[in-house]
Amino acid sequence: LAKTTQPISMDSYEGQEVNITCSHNNIATNDYITWYQQFPSQGPRFIIQGYKTKVTNEVASLFIPADRKSSTLSLPRVSLSDTAVYYCLVGGPNTGGFKTIFGAGTRLFVKA
Amino acid sequence: KAGVTQTPRYLIKTRGQQVTLSCSPISGHRSVSWYQQTPGQGLQFLFEYFSETQRNKGNFPGRFSGRQFSNSRSEMNVSTLELGDSALYLCASSLVGVGGNEQFFGPGTRLTVL
Repeated sequence: LAKTTQPISMDSYEGQEVNITCSHNNIATNDYITWYQQFPSQGPRFIIQGYKTKVTNEVASLFIPADRKSSTLSLPRVSLSDTAVYYCLVGGPNTGGFKTIFGAGTRLFVKA
Repeated sequence: KAGVTQTPRYLIKTRGQQVTLSCSPISGHRSVSWYQQTPGQGLQFLFEYFSETQRNKGNFPGRFSGRQFSNSRSEMNVSTLELGDSALYLCASSLVGVGGNEQFFGPGTRLTVL
């Protein structure tokens, strides 16, 4: 299972773009990269998922370089409500189902 | 569409007791995974069930067990509770249960062991 490494914490201000990078040097060919957001005392919530290049949805963008050994979650114009822990996960169908490994996550603190 | 539900939401037990937690996945989802979250260890994978079979297991002692019923509902059991079992237990369901599928998490059950 590919291990992921993320910064422990990040600070930002409202309205700024935030980029959180995740390293996954041992990513397997069939692995997808998935990001989750978690607020205190709640379950994680899916943000975005990708395999290669760039994926964009209504809340975020995910950039994956050609070698796929890292990925960057981009949150445009963050607000106070984006203060949360963000997890990067790597997994694929070759694992025979979920044996999801959550890392420590990145604690994002958005200031006014 | 109803989300993942977990019962009970809060539970207080004493050391040595056993506890059963319940999870109802989103309708149509066949994969159910369980996680333990503590401040010290973060989110840790317990096990995953798919079509009533345990398909994957994390590194937890045998005191932690689970099962899945034919309607995909799942239960998790912890026997001989220890103080360190105090945690938020999260359940997540997925349509197929293979990598690349989004997991939908429930609100969790907060277990306190005294």
